[in-house]
Amino acid sequence: QKEVEQNSGPLSVPEGAIASLNCTYSDRVSQSFFWYRQYSGKSPELIMSIYSNGDKEDGRFTAQLNKASQYVSLLIRDSQPSDSATYLCAVHRGSTLGRLYFGRGTQLTVWP
Amino acid sequence: DTEVTQTPKHLVMGMTNKKSLKCEQHMGHRAMYWYKQKAKKPPELMFVYSYEKLSINESVPSRFSPECPNSSLLNLHLHALQPEDSALYLCASSQGALGNEQFFGPGTRLTVL
Repeated sequence: QKEVEQNSGPLSVPEGAIASLNCTYSDRVSQSFFWYRQYSGKSPELIMSIYSNGDKEDGRFTAQLNKASQYVSLLIRDSQPSDSATYLCAVHRGSTLGRLYFGRGTQLTVWP
Repeated sequence: DTEVTQTPKHLVMGMTNKKSLKCEQHMGHRAMYWYKQKAKKPPELMFVYSYEKLSINESVPSRFSPECPNSSLLNLHLHALQPEDSALYLCASSQGALGNEQFFGPGTRLTVL
């Protein structure tokens, strides 16, 4: 079983819709969770971090964490064509210095 | 300011060349990282420096040699690379190395001929 798994996609939504990106992780001791956005040919950009169960909202982005289910998600409301990118879920276990475990990414396309 | 800078942006080198990649951050972060990313794959961790000491070496071949001259700078020295080493090399930094947010630089696109 992979450390971090994401819905493989690609995911395609119309402009203005809600895009839902999902991620599961295998290690129960994981403590820190991150979502990165990566445009083609560019480096990953941190867009959300979440550390405790529940929802965290930042503008059009909401991250949701459920440690009991080992599940973290990212909702993008009012999706825009500029949101079209690959979204990477990353997880850090408290005990492993510096190591982030990345999912393979979900490619999102928002069409006008 | 969450900026990590990397130079050069692009690098083409032959298999016998020696070159260096440079990374700099001025956020007072004490952990710095080198990642390698191939097309359509997630970043792969290569090295972690925590408080200027090498903390993790992910069994990277010796043709890659990291160096951390001070808390703001990170270098990656390259020698005798192979074509399969062609990739995007990413530097990142974080406040500490235990679960803190990692911020990536723009990367160096390396091509080995």
